[in-house]
Amino acid sequence: DVVMTQSPLSLPVTLGQPASISCRSSQSLVHSDGNTYLNWFQQRPGQSPRRLIYRVSNRDSGVPDRFSGSGSGTDFTLTISRVEAEDVGVYYCMQGTHWPPLTFGGGTKVEIK
Amino acid sequence: EVQVVESGGDLVQTGGSLRLSCAASGFSFSSYWMSWVRQAPGKGLEWVATTKEDGSEKYYVDSVKGRFTISRDNAKNSLYLQMNSLTDVDTAVYYCVTGRWTMGVWGQGTTVTVSS
Repeated sequence: DVVMTQSPLSLPVTLGQPASISCRSSQSLVHSDGNTYLNWFQQRPGQSPRRLIYRVSNRDSGVPDRFSGSGSGTDFTLTISRVEAEDVGVYYCMQGTHWPPLTFGGGTKVEIK
Repeated sequence: EVQVVESGGDLVQTGGSLRLSCAASGFSFSSYWMSWVRQAPGKGLEWVATTKEDGSEKYYVDSVKGRFTISRDNAKNSLYLQMNSLTDVDTAVYYCVTGRWTMGVWGQGTTVTVSS
């Protein structure tokens, strides 16, 4: 099974400052079809998860452009260019390239300093 | 509006059974793979099961194989999860999610609590 490792576990950020979350996979996520099936999800306190980014860098409809995804192979990053109060929550990466099983990272908690 | 709504969560005794349902609307349900994902209290997300558009293929996480069964009724735009031989480690919020690797739309979740 592919292991997804996120860091840091907790990320205190000042409002208006940037934030970056790392996600590393135990093997390359490049699929034989050429795509990389790496998604990012946000889970605000008390809410269901919501997809932000799919296939590494494609932002979902309605997701603010301060969120961006990047990376390749085994190394991926979710960046928030300027953190706002509504960004507080837990962020998860997930791989769909080598399945089953689909596997999630352990989560990164973003909080305001 | 694309929407999935789960139901059926309950308090159940160890060794008991439960059937979760998911009602889909706002999209062509029969054209989508569908999945269940769970989240234990205070923990992260765990994929549970996925079924192909026509129900001909089904996949499970190892920990539920032989105990859980995912199924769907495309005529009713509904997804199901039959859960048998429940133990305390199955206590979680269960989410119905559209897609396989896409995981595009999530429901609000339904809570399953297993207690002796």
